[in-house]
Amino acid sequence: GAVVSQHPSRVICKSGTSVKIECRSLDFQATTMFWYRQFPKQSLMLMATSNEGSKATYEQGVEKDKFLINHASLTLSTLTVTSAHPEDSSFYICSATGSTEAFFGQGTRLTVV
Amino acid sequence: QQQVKQSPQSLIVQKGGISIINCAYENTAFDYFPWYQQFPGKGPALLIAIRPDVSEKKEGRFTISFNKSAKQFSLHIMDSQPGDSATYFCAASMDTGRRALTFGSGTRLQVQP
Repeated sequence: GAVVSQHPSRVICKSGTSVKIECRSLDFQATTMFWYRQFPKQSLMLMATSNEGSKATYEQGVEKDKFLINHASLTLSTLTVTSAHPEDSSFYICSATGSTEAFFGQGTRLTVV
Repeated sequence: QQQVKQSPQSLIVQKGGISIINCAYENTAFDYFPWYQQFPGKGPALLIAIRPDVSEKKEGRFTISFNKSAKQFSLHIMDSQPGDSATYFCAASMDTGRRALTFGSGTRLQVQP
């Protein structure tokens, strides 16, 4: 099946700093990428949808100035958590779709200390 | 709000038994119903998916049953194995999977040896 690579898998950062997470589709062109957030023992919640070359669409309650999404090419989307705080600690997961179903990255465990 | 309701929250099954997880949806515009398996610290992996023109789909030990009139679908895991112990999420989407997924709340399955 198609492969979506997410990097890094784990990151620890200090409060107030910014963290960038990359999501790459390795063997297909992703017209749309999605970013989800998952708290421990909970389900995945959609944060935003990004299409290549256009601004991301954020879900209600997600701060677009805090969670910056860039989808510069058909194979790469990035999520930058700006001025991170401990409450931003979570598991962030990207997914990418081409012409059919979505494929998920391995996820990034963000811990803000 | 688009919702997908999943039950049970947790499930314990003996090795060799059948695991059954149920989901119900509200939005009749959904046309793609996948099931994902997630291990701790990993992204979700697609197990099997169904579209509403089919009432059942089987792949190996995994079967989806779909009831369009009741707006319900379920996952059956035959001959459950300890390696199947994971969290399972049902999901639903529009545009045959090219839109964002709406996830159920998840079922933590434990298969006892």
